[in-house]
Amino acid sequence: DAMVIQNPRYQVTQFGKPVTLSCSQTLNHNVMYWYQQKSSQAPKLLFHYYDKDFNNEADTPDNFQSRRPNTSFCFLDIRSPGLGDAAMYLCATSRAGAQETQYFGPGTRLLVL
Amino acid sequence: EDQVTQSPEALRLQEGESSSLNCSYTVSGLRGLFWYRQDPGKGPEFLFTLYSAGEEKEKERLKATLTKKESFLHITAPKPEDSATYLCAVHSSNTGKLIFGQGTTLQVKP
Repeated sequence: DAMVIQNPRYQVTQFGKPVTLSCSQTLNHNVMYWYQQKSSQAPKLLFHYYDKDFNNEADTPDNFQSRRPNTSFCFLDIRSPGLGDAAMYLCATSRAGAQETQYFGPGTRLLVL
Repeated sequence: EDQVTQSPEALRLQEGESSSLNCSYTVSGLRGLFWYRQDPGKGPEFLFTLYSAGEEKEKERLKATLTKKESFLHITAPKPEDSATYLCAVHSSNTGKLIFGQGTTLQVKP
């Protein structure tokens, strides 16, 4: 089945230690998104790629970076995680823009010690 | 300002007790309203997309409807496995992004 895959499902890191989360998709969708979701809150968009074009949200901290080396893969890099970065990180894809349905992966739960 | 409000925040039902969840929106240029189901510790699972007022979609015990101001997710004869958080999101042509509501957490007791 076509799907969105995230690895790892759980990630524990230390304060200030860089961490990378990965997302892959078999849907062949053009757009990939990264969201941050904290407990009992709505997902918050961090950035998205439309093909190779990177779109950063204005309020996304510089601490967060992303890479999309090819259509199938997208990475979220957190350069110096703080305690406030502990959250669920969700990857989503859509065929074209956000007016089309976004399909989410299972998420990566990040814990910062 | 684009806004999506879901009510109630939490809903407890007995198995078989039908009810509706509400999603009210104010957005310039609606280009799609989306319903998702999210289980604890998992990513949102797509349920429905609605594009125009009057549109309805059904899947098993769920039925989504859309007006110019709000959407309802009707749950008929719910079962305990329907327990989850239901998220509503609206695409805004103003920002080009999905605007999410805070969700309704549904608990269905046997």
